[in-house]
Amino acid sequence: SQTIHQWPATLVQPVGSPLSLECTVEGTSNPNLYWYRQAAGRGLQLLFYSVGIGQISSEVPQNLSASRPQDRQFILSSKKLLLSDSGFYLCAWRGQGARQPQHFGDGTRLSIL
Amino acid sequence: AQSVTQLGSHVSVSEGALVLLRCNYSSSVPPYLFWYVQYPNQGLQLLLKYTTGATLVKGINGFEAEFKKSETSFHLTKPSAHMSDAAEYFCAVSADNYGQNFVFGPGTRLSVLP
Repeated sequence: SQTIHQWPATLVQPVGSPLSLECTVEGTSNPNLYWYRQAAGRGLQLLFYSVGIGQISSEVPQNLSASRPQDRQFILSSKKLLLSDSGFYLCAWRGQGARQPQHFGDGTRLSIL
Repeated sequence: AQSVTQLGSHVSVSEGALVLLRCNYSSSVPPYLFWYVQYPNQGLQLLLKYTTGATLVKGINGFEAEFKKSETSFHLTKPSAHMSDAAEYFCAVSADNYGQNFVFGPGTRLSVLP
């Protein structure tokens, strides 16, 4: 069966520090991969998605970036965090085909001090 | 392009009462529809999905949803609410394989009162 791993679960970082969040998927190949952010009490904001290695689409201009160095690895990064980057970050994967649902990791709670 | 609206950002029901969470979609092609549940500080969990076939779809935890094409709706129901159903619920629509066309609604927070 397929599983998705996302870490760390919580992270406290100072303003201006770098960020690296990692997400890996097991048990499937060539998944579509997604990064979302949730502000407190808000809905899902799609940040990035990827349909293949090295292929990244950005939905929202920001100081975050994403990379997909391997088929089942998706990384969210920042060189310098802002206070506004605080939130709950979710990674998801989806199989090929429009009927496929997205499957989510457990999320990372990021607090910027 | 697709879009999803969820009427009511916050719904409160008494324990044992009917749960009805509303979802309406807009899609230029036949849609595939999904409901997700999110508990605090957790990821989203798939409750149920409609792809083709029977328009009444049953999911986990006693939830079900009915696809009504004429009303462009996919409302989520449960006959009797439990305290454990308190969570955020998201409706989503998909019409193709690409990221920008898997669209989530804004969510509805369900509170269950004792």
